Amino acid sequence: AQSVTQPDIHITVSEGASLELRCNYSYGATPYLFWYVQSPGQGLQLLLKYFSGDTLVQGIKGFEAEFKRSQSSFNLRKPSVHWSDAAEYFCAVGASSNTGKLIFGQGTTLQVKP
Amino acid sequence: DGGITQSPKYLFRKEGQNVTLSCEQNLNHDAMYWYRQDPGQGLRLIYYSQIVNDFQKGDIAEGYSVSREKKESFPLTVTSAQKNPTAFYLCASRGQGTGNGYTFGSGTRLTVV
Repeated sequence: AQSVTQPDIHITVSEGASLELRCNYSYGATPYLFWYVQSPGQGLQLLLKYFSGDTLVQGIKGFEAEFKRSQSSFNLRKPSVHWSDAAEYFCAVGASSNTGKLIFGQGTTLQVKP
Repeated sequence: DGGITQSPKYLFRKEGQNVTLSCEQNLNHDAMYWYRQDPGQGLRLIYYSQIVNDFQKGDIAEGYSVSREKKESFPLTVTSAQKNPTAFYLCASRGQGTGNGYTFGSGTRLTVV
């Protein structure tokens, strides 16, 4: 069965420091992978997505993610974190191209220290 | 601007009552989804619909019902059979094309009192 694991429930980084949020997936075929961000009490906003091609994907707000098939990973990175990046981040994998269902990880809450 | 509108933002329900959460989109998307979000559990799929007048159960459909009479609308009813309905509910839609991501609404927080 398809699954997504985000090993870190909560991460704290200092403003200006680099960030990496981990995501591991289990999927039989070539996955469609997504990263979303959620501010408290709000819906989710798409940061970036990977379907095929270049394994390094650029997204909005200065985020990028790298797809590593050998490690079944799709980690999210940002070189320098801003206080406004504090939020919850979700990794998701496309379960089926026909239904478009996404399977979400448990989420990682990012706290940014001044 | 195109988007998804969920209403109300906050909803209070007495035990034993049914309530309906609204989800409307003007993105001309065919597929729509309802997710439930609880702290520490990520998002769990309740129901989804790929076309008007058709919908399928997700992973936690018990105690919920939906309808899809119009392309733009996908209301979710939380029935009295739902044992633990207090949660944050998110509606999403997806356009045509393999691998398209979701567009989410801003959510409805339901509290049973």
